[in-house]
Amino acid sequence: GDSVTQMEGPVTLSEEAFLTINCTYTATGYPSLFWYVQYPGEGLQLLLKATKADDKGSNKGFEATYRKETTSFHLEKGSVQVSDSAVYFCALSATRGDMRFGAGTRLTVKP
Amino acid sequence: NAGVTQTPKFQVLKTGQSMTLQCAQDMNHEYMSWYRQDPGMGLRLIHYSVGAGITDQGEVPNGYNVSRSTTEDFPLRLLSAAPSQTSVYFCASRSGGGWGTDTQYFGPGTRLTVL
Repeated sequence: GDSVTQMEGPVTLSEEAFLTINCTYTATGYPSLFWYVQYPGEGLQLLLKATKADDKGSNKGFEATYRKETTSFHLEKGSVQVSDSAVYFCALSATRGDMRFGAGTRLTVKP
Repeated sequence: NAGVTQTPKFQVLKTGQSMTLQCAQDMNHEYMSWYRQDPGMGLRLIHYSVGAGITDQGEVPNGYNVSRSTTEDFPLRLLSAAPSQTSVYFCASRSGGGWGTDTQYFGPGTRLTVL
């Protein structure tokens, strides 16, 4: 079945460091891919998405590129801030219309 | 728009009790879903609905019931609570168009503890 495997955390970085969170997927067909962010005590918010191969999603300095050949959708940011501390979820649109999520990666950015 | 709202925010139950988690959306979305979030497991789909009167099971439906009598509301019922149902529950909705234009919106969650 469709599934998402996400880099395990937690990840701790200093402010202005480079961030990569790895995400790979297994799917039949051609799913859309998403990154969601969850700030403490809140629900999930869409961070970015890509709907076809080679598409790049971007938002708030975060980027991810849909790589069909490696079935990956890694999240990157060039310079993280304390305010980026959150849990990040990779997800895909599953074959039957719902979404499948990775386990989540907790990011802590220290000043 | 209020978006997706959930009540209550917190709930403590004893084993065997029943309760209903409420979810409402004011965006006229066709699709609504219930997820549970457990540490290290991400979000898992419990039940979903593609429109009023239509529901289906997700990955982990056992112990839960849903109904969709209106477009706006999608309550989740726990029939006889068990400690394994201790979790954070999220309701979500989306318009039902293709994923290229569609965005799934999440409620703030209900934290449920079953003793």
